Amino acid sequence: EVVMTQSPVTLSLSPGERATLSCRASQTVSSSYLSWYQQKPGQAPRLLIYGASTRATGIPARFSGSGSGADYTLTISSLQAEDFAVYYCLMDYNLVFGGGTKVEIK
Amino acid sequence: QLHLQESGPGLVKPSETLSLTCTVSGGSLNTHYWTWIRQPPGKGLEYIGYIYYSGIINFNPSLKSRVSISVDTFRNQFSLNVSSVTAADTAVYYCARRGGNSYSAYYLDVWGKGTTVTVSS
Repeated sequence: EVVMTQSPVTLSLSPGERATLSCRASQTVSSSYLSWYQQKPGQAPRLLIYGASTRATGIPARFSGSGSGADYTLTISSLQAEDFAVYYCLMDYNLVFGGGTKVEIK
Repeated sequence: QLHLQESGPGLVKPSETLSLTCTVSGGSLNTHYWTWIRQPPGKGLEYIGYIYYSGIINFNPSLKSRVSISVDTFRNQFSLNVSSVTAADTAVYYCARRGGNSYSAYYLDVWGKGTTVTVSS
């Protein structure tokens, strides 16, 4: 069974700063099935990145994804007020979400 | 524009079966896979499973023994049943479309707003 571990659990940053979120699989996984989601309180998750590095329609360029094998990263180049939220990675092939990273205002 | 809407009872008694329906509008069920995701209060997302209109199904192994998913292409709906529920099944339940294909990538690109289900006597 694949386990997806996200770190850190909480990231405290100021607007304008760079956010780097990690998602590590317990074994090598296919990047084709790795996606990232943003969730704000009381809302459904929103697709940000799929195939590890492709931005979904309408997602700003400040969001980028990278990685391969077992290690994947979501980067927000300059945090905007609307980016403070919880972020999840998903390994769709194994139907497994990571535990999430909360990006909060410092 | 594709729109998904979950519906079903908000309260289910322990040991009973939780039944939810997702109605799809603005598109056909005869393409893509269709999924169920849940989120217990204050916790992360859990993938329940997905179904293709042809009947191909895949479930999270941790739930497989209690879960069934079906699709009704005439009504443009797909449904989830979770049997023998306990308080641990209390969650917001989301339906979503599994976009993409086997040649490129798979992802959950269209989500319903979610429906809250509480298991309590």
